[in-house]
Amino acid sequence: GESVGLHLPTLSVQEGDNSIINCAYSNSASDYFIWYKQESGKGPQFIIDIRSNMDKRQGQRVTVLLNKTVKHLSLQIAATQPGDSAVYFCAELTSGTYKYIFGTGTRLKVLA
Amino acid sequence: EAGVTQSPTHLIKTRGQQATLRCSPISGHTSVYWYQQALGLGLQFLLWYDEGEERNRGNFPPRFSGRQFPNYSSELNVNALELEDSALYLCASSATGVYGYTFGSGTRLTVV
Repeated sequence: GESVGLHLPTLSVQEGDNSIINCAYSNSASDYFIWYKQESGKGPQFIIDIRSNMDKRQGQRVTVLLNKTVKHLSLQIAATQPGDSAVYFCAELTSGTYKYIFGTGTRLKVLA
Repeated sequence: EAGVTQSPTHLIKTRGQQATLRCSPISGHTSVYWYQQALGLGLQFLLWYDEGEERNRGNFPPRFSGRQFPNYSSELNVNALELEDSALYLCASSATGVYGYTFGSGTRLTVV
């Protein structure tokens, strides 16, 4: 499969534990944020999004937190499973541009 | 429903040659985006097409170009290939005005 990055920061968690992946974004004008998951050999898959008028949004087993004061985004995955092993990217966007700025990614490894 | 399809899956070219990559968006999606993902790096925005027109462009030289056809499919052309152009090229699509993309699995371009 494809390697999406050889020198990515890596987070290793035990199966069943919660995972927290952090991201610092760059543009204070960004008003829309997305988390993507990329498995080896595949394109990025949408996980969850959040607009800047919110500070928290929950999905199925995932929660995104947004702190605009310090330009920080986090993705929390509850009860991490082996299928969650992948590279996770945050992306920011300013309305009207349709151009995402992606972070460099974090590799999540789930240990059995 | 078919997802975003890209062809070819893999492409090997010699330095100085031209490469053409193709993308078919999800039916009903009018916007197509191209991103470059070099090994060890995040996704870098290349181009955005909507309704047949180029709407936005990333910080890439003019030898990266493309077009969108009346059926909303798209081509990315890379002229005068350099070794540094070796990367995974990802295409994504969305409906007009929708921020969330759906990505294809990419074309792995290798320049030798």
